[in-house]
Amino acid sequence: GAGVSQSPRYKVAKRGQDVALRCDPISGHVSLFWYQQALGQGPEFLTYFQNEAQLDKSGLPSDRFFAERPEGSVSTLKIQRTQQEDSAVYLCASSPGQRENTEAFFGQGTRLTVV
Amino acid sequence: AQSVTQLDSHVSVSEGTPVLLRCNYSSSYSPSLFWYVQHPNKGLQLLLKYTSAATLVKGINGFEAEFKKSETSFHLTKPSAHMSDAAEYFCVVSGLGNTGNQFYFGTGTSLTVIP
Repeated sequence: GAGVSQSPRYKVAKRGQDVALRCDPISGHVSLFWYQQALGQGPEFLTYFQNEAQLDKSGLPSDRFFAERPEGSVSTLKIQRTQQEDSAVYLCASSPGQRENTEAFFGQGTRLTVV
Repeated sequence: AQSVTQLDSHVSVSEGTPVLLRCNYSSSYSPSLFWYVQHPNKGLQLLLKYTSAATLVKGINGFEAEFKKSETSFHLTKPSAHMSDAAEYFCVVSGLGNTGNQFYFGTGTSLTVIP
């Protein structure tokens, strides 16, 4: 596709439920990022992939959060046993590679509401 | 370590007057800097980026930013605000680290344009 696509756009989960959020990056983009954006805040880094390798997961807030990108394209962010504090917009971004000065292209995000 | 500080959480201007959104960065080496805009319920859109080719960077929709190394600043300006400029603006720094090209967001500046 022309841009980064995320699905679903909106997700309501009951507390304790597991959720999976999908990201389709721009074709050929090597780097993929996940961010969490709480209401009224800036995006906070969660994790980063270069192709299928997860090079940095230092931003994942707990072991309930798990991300994968098994074939180096589509990525899934999974949250187990969701809690109310997980409510946020989850943004996915991709960029062409590891060169400096390349910007990140963002999807529209998935708004997760845990009730 | 790299970070950005957006000095104003809210800026309000009258339509037709200049806009100034301030950003200071911290980087251990020459950074790449970006400004993104986020309209309500929309994805993050790149306004402009600093690539070290020129210190005055022109972006979309009449926005500009000037990289000032001596002041570690990358302020965003526009000569004349339009109603459609009302949005959240994020200053972003990136650079190659041990695990690749990462992007670090400021906390955002909410721009209100008064008719």
